[in-house]
Amino acid sequence: SSELTQDPAVSVALGQTVRITCQGDSLRSYYASWYQQKPGQAPVLVIYGKNNRPSGIPDRFSGSSSGNTASLTITGAQAEDEADYYCNSRDSSGSVVFGGGTKLTVL
Amino acid sequence: EVQLVESGGGLVQPGGSLRLSCAASGFTFSSYEMNWVRQAPGKGLEWVSYISSSGSTIYYADSVKGRFTISRDNAKNSLYLQMNSLRAEDTAVYYCARDRLGVADRYYYYYMDVWGKGTTVTVSS
Repeated sequence: SSELTQDPAVSVALGQTVRITCQGDSLRSYYASWYQQKPGQAPVLVIYGKNNRPSGIPDRFSGSSSGNTASLTITGAQAEDEADYYCNSRDSSGSVVFGGGTKLTVL
Repeated sequence: EVQLVESGGGLVQPGGSLRLSCAASGFTFSSYEMNWVRQAPGKGLEWVSYISSSGSTIYYADSVKGRFTISRDNAKNSLYLQMNSLRAEDTAVYYCARDRLGVADRYYYYYMDVWGKGTTVTVSS
């Protein structure tokens, strides 16, 4: 199955903008979805499709895609955004694939 | 309220079996595809298995193929994961998650919009 590659860790100053990326061949055919997970909690969907946010997700979260790379951007990062972020897609066989996750630290 | 609640986790010896359940409420369970996703301690998310709304299409991760069986009972609004020949590396929190599909431009996209809180499986002697 195909893989999705994420940077293991990213940091951002409070109130600044950060982009978290996800690379993989399957992203040439499928939009990624993005999940936020805080310690001891289940993952929460934050971005899906071209750039859609579920109800309750702040509009500082946005998504984009180009070629084999999907990006999650947080514009004006808040302390509560500190979490692990995972991208997700499918491969051509129908199997689900997750990226390895990015730990976001808000300084 | 849309909700998924997992149960059935616990401590099991290597080589043993366990059956996880996921109870769905607040939506028409029979209309949705479902997944099991797990997370080993300190590790990332790992997809385990997928089942279509009718149960006719099933996929497994290579790491569990031949040992785990996903199933569902739409009359009981429940999803199951039968886990046999368990190994230490199967130790994880197991989540059930609702699967969704959309199309935009020329791209399909899949996402898991509802997750349970998880149930913990520990494989150890």
